[in-house]
Amino acid sequence: RKEVEQDPGPFNVPEGATVAFNCTYSNSASQSFFWYRQDCRKEPKLLMSVYSSGNEDGRFTAQLNRASQYISLLIRDSKLSDSATYLCVENTGTASKLTFGTGTRLQVTL
Amino acid sequence: DAGVIQSPRHEVTEMGQEVTLRCKPISGHNSLFWYRQTMMRGLELLIYFNNNVPIDDSGMPEDRFSAKMPNASFSTLKIQPSEPRDSAVYFCASSTNRGAFFGQGTRLTVV
Repeated sequence: RKEVEQDPGPFNVPEGATVAFNCTYSNSASQSFFWYRQDCRKEPKLLMSVYSSGNEDGRFTAQLNRASQYISLLIRDSKLSDSATYLCVENTGTASKLTFGTGTRLQVTL
Repeated sequence: DAGVIQSPRHEVTEMGQEVTLRCKPISGHNSLFWYRQTMMRGLELLIYFNNNVPIDDSGMPEDRFSAKMPNASFSTLKIQPSEPRDSAVYFCASSTNRGAFFGQGTRLTVV
């Protein structure tokens, strides 16, 4: 079983829609989590951290469910510019090892 | 801050040649990661350093790959000899507990 699993998608949604991605992790000792965004032929960029209490940044909301070992990313009012691959990341805390999921591809259309 | 700096941005080399990729992390970041990304396998962690010490190199594919971090501001990833299956984008990232920040990557093509 992979350490971090994501649905690869693609998720095709119309502009203005709300879309949610989940990511499951296997290491119950993982201490922190992040969502990254990667555009085609570019490097991954940090989108937001994920906290147990939830984290909201504009149209983006990230949640962590430790009991079920998954994290989620909710995007409201999708924009064309949100089209990208979204990667979830766990930090196992062992000298800050970061493990990436394979990513979920989002395509927002007119 | 200029961010994580990688060089070269692109490298085309012949099979059997030695390839050296370079990375300058963000000043003050104490962890450094080397990742490889392909369409088939996604983003794979090759090796990471904490305070210049290699912590986990279990992702290094085989003995042809080696990485060093002689000081806090420089790291190299070397492939010798290179093979066509090594063709990929190689990313370096440095981090604090607030997350990792990536360089623009080196696109390696081995022909």
